[in-house]
Amino acid sequence: DVKVTQSSRYLVKRTGEKVFLECVQDMDHENMFWYRQDPGLGLRLIYFSYDVKMKEKGDIPEGYSVSREKKERFSLILESASTNQTSMYLCASSPHTKNYGYTFGSGTRLTVV
Amino acid sequence: DQQVKQNSPSLSVQEGRISILNCDYTNSMFDYFLWYKKYPAEGPTFLISISSIKDKNEDGRFTVFLNKSAKHLSLHIVPSQPGDSAVYFCAASSGNTGKLIFGQGTTLQVKP
Repeated sequence: DVKVTQSSRYLVKRTGEKVFLECVQDMDHENMFWYRQDPGLGLRLIYFSYDVKMKEKGDIPEGYSVSREKKERFSLILESASTNQTSMYLCASSPHTKNYGYTFGSGTRLTVV
Repeated sequence: DQQVKQNSPSLSVQEGRISILNCDYTNSMFDYFLWYKKYPAEGPTFLISISSIKDKNEDGRFTVFLNKSAKHLSLHIVPSQPGDSAVYFCAASSGNTGKLIFGQGTTLQVKP
C-alpha cells in the first residue's frame, strides 16, 4: 500500500513564526502536491512538484514556499505564519502525470494564534 | 473563480435509498473527473473516476454519470449505507498536468 505520511497531525504556531510541514511518500512517486482544506472552499492547490528540485505554483501560493530535495519528501513552508493560514493541510502523491490516483496523507491541522 | 462547483453543502438520505451527489464545472478543457471520499481526521480516498469519452462508469454501488453538454457530473450511491456518511469531493483535470481541481465538497449523512 502506498503511504503518504505527514509529520504532525496537529500544530499550533504563533503569528510570524516560520512553519515547516513535512510530507514523505514511500512508493517512489514522481508527483507530489500540497492542498489546504477550508469549510465551503474545498481543497485548494498551494504548490506541486513533478520531480526533485522542481516546483510549480498552484492556485493559492501566496505566503507559502516548498522544497523538494529528495524524491520522497515534499515540504511546505510558511515563511511568516498568519492567522488566515489556519487550516487543514493535505499532502498527496501520484505515480506520474497521467495517473490521477492521488494518495493523500491524513492531514495536518494547523492553528496560528 | 471556482471551476468545479458542488452547490449542495450537505445531503441526508435514509439507509437503503439512493444518494445523488452533483457537481458542475466550467472549464470545457477538463477531460478527466474523479470523486473522492473523506472521513473526519483522514485524508481523502479515491472512489471512482470517469474519462470525458464516456458518459457512465460503474463500480459496485457507485456510479458516476457525465453530461458534457451540461458540464455536469453526478455520483449515485445505491443502496446507501451508514458507512457512506462522509464528505464527498468532486475533482477534475485537463491534459497531462496531473493537477486536480476540487469542488467544495458535499457532506453526506446516511441515517439508519
